[in-house]
Amino acid sequence: GIQVEQSPPDLILQEGANSTLRCNFSDSVNNLQWFHQNPWGQLINLFYIPSGTKQNGRLSATTVATERYSLLYISSSQTTDSGVYFCAVDPHSSNTGKLIFGQGTTLQVKP
Amino acid sequence: EAGVAQSPRYKIIEKRQSVAFWCNPISGHATLYWYQQILGQGPKLLIQFQNNGVVDDSQLPKDRFSAERLKGVDSTLKIQPAKLEDSAVYLCASSLDRTGVPFFGSGTRLTVV
Repeated sequence: GIQVEQSPPDLILQEGANSTLRCNFSDSVNNLQWFHQNPWGQLINLFYIPSGTKQNGRLSATTVATERYSLLYISSSQTTDSGVYFCAVDPHSSNTGKLIFGQGTTLQVKP
Repeated sequence: EAGVAQSPRYKIIEKRQSVAFWCNPISGHATLYWYQQILGQGPKLLIQFQNNGVVDDSQLPKDRFSAERLKGVDSTLKIQPAKLEDSAVYLCASSLDRTGVPFFGSGTRLTVV
């Protein structure tokens, strides 16, 4: 089956710093999403981005489907950005909603 | 708009006991998912419903896990008998349809001792 690898596994930042999280996947996908899981366990969708670039405030994401990777950029990080960031893909030939999650990147933003 | 509701929030049981989790999806969402998240890992899909029918349960350990979605709304996930390795957070999610973005509940943290 498809492999979804995220890097780095852990990241510690000072408030105000920028960061880039990476997601590599081993096969073609028709659906890629980024999620944030806060320290209380709530999982929130950040981006639906099978290809191209999207921006939402201080966050942006880019997926290069032909090269099988996606990047999540966090600018001017805040303590509320702390948590685990997951990349999830749907590897099926049509969009089935059956997501396969990576292992996540744990981000800690220090004040 | 209310989110996905799950209960209980926490549950501690002894191995070989049974347990059930409940999920109420967002109103109007046809697709419902149950995920298992073991500590330190990403969520793993257990079962997907479309209305009250099962779309995919290939990852559900059917010898001990069962799930149903009565009337295409609420859903319950049951484990009987529980094993130590079932300790995890069980997340319910719903979406308008299979192509929609999933919205997750807060999860039920199960500890099997």
